[in-house]
Amino acid sequence: AQSVTQPDIHITVSEGASLELRCNYSYGATPYLFWYVQSPGQGLQLLLKYFSGDTLVQGIKGFEAEFKRSQSSFNLRKPSVHWSDAAEYFCAVGLITGNQFYFGTGTSLTVIP
Amino acid sequence: DSGVTQTPKHLITATGQRVTLRCSPRSGDLSVYWYQQSLDQGLQFLIHYYNGEERAKGNILERFSAQQFPDLHSELNLSSLELGDSALYFCASSPTRLAGYNEQFFGPGTRLTVL
Repeated sequence: AQSVTQPDIHITVSEGASLELRCNYSYGATPYLFWYVQSPGQGLQLLLKYFSGDTLVQGIKGFEAEFKRSQSSFNLRKPSVHWSDAAEYFCAVGLITGNQFYFGTGTSLTVIP
Repeated sequence: DSGVTQTPKHLITATGQRVTLRCSPRSGDLSVYWYQQSLDQGLQFLIHYYNGEERAKGNILERFSAQQFPDLHSELNLSSLELGDSALYFCASSPTRLAGYNEQFFGPGTRLTVL
C-alpha cells in the first residue's frame, strides 16, 4: 500500500545535539518530497522540499534533508538543535499522477536544556 | 505569516449543530485544501478545490461539505456535529491545481470543540 512513514512518534534531544528525523515512503515513482514544521498552536510551515537534482537539500532554520532513492527515504537533519526547534515535524509526499498529497503521522520533538 | 487567513480561530458548539469555517487563500493562489487534525487521526486531507471546482476528495464525511467561491475564498460546512468532530481544521493554499507539486501554505487553523 502507498504510504508515508515516520517511524519515530516522539524524539527527545539535548540542546546543541544533532538531530535526524526519519521519513520513508512507499510509492511506485519518486514523489516530490517535503518537510513541514508545526509549532505549538500554529499552522504548518514548509522547511524544505525536493523535486529533482541534488539529493541534499537545504532548508530554513538550518535544516537539511537527504533523498536516498535506494532506501525510499528523505530524512531531515540539523547539526545543532536549538530550544526553539521543539515542534511537530511532518514529512509529506506529492504525486503528480492522481493529484495527490500525503502527510506522514508526524514526529514530536522535545528539546531539553 | 503565510498569507492564508481562517475564521473563526475558535468555535464551541453542541452535538447536532452545524458550523461553517471560512478560509481566504494567499493572494494569487487558486487552490484551497482542507485538513482535519486530531490527536487520534493525525493530519487528514479532506478536500481540494481549484478555481471553484472540486479537484480531489480525501477522508471527508458525508456530513461535511465545502465550496470555493468566485473570489476564491472557501468554506467548509460541518453538519450534524458529533463529539468526534472536535479537532483543528486547517486550510492551505497553493498557486496551481497540481497538489502533488506545489508547496502548500497553511493558515493558523480553526479549533472546533463539540460539547
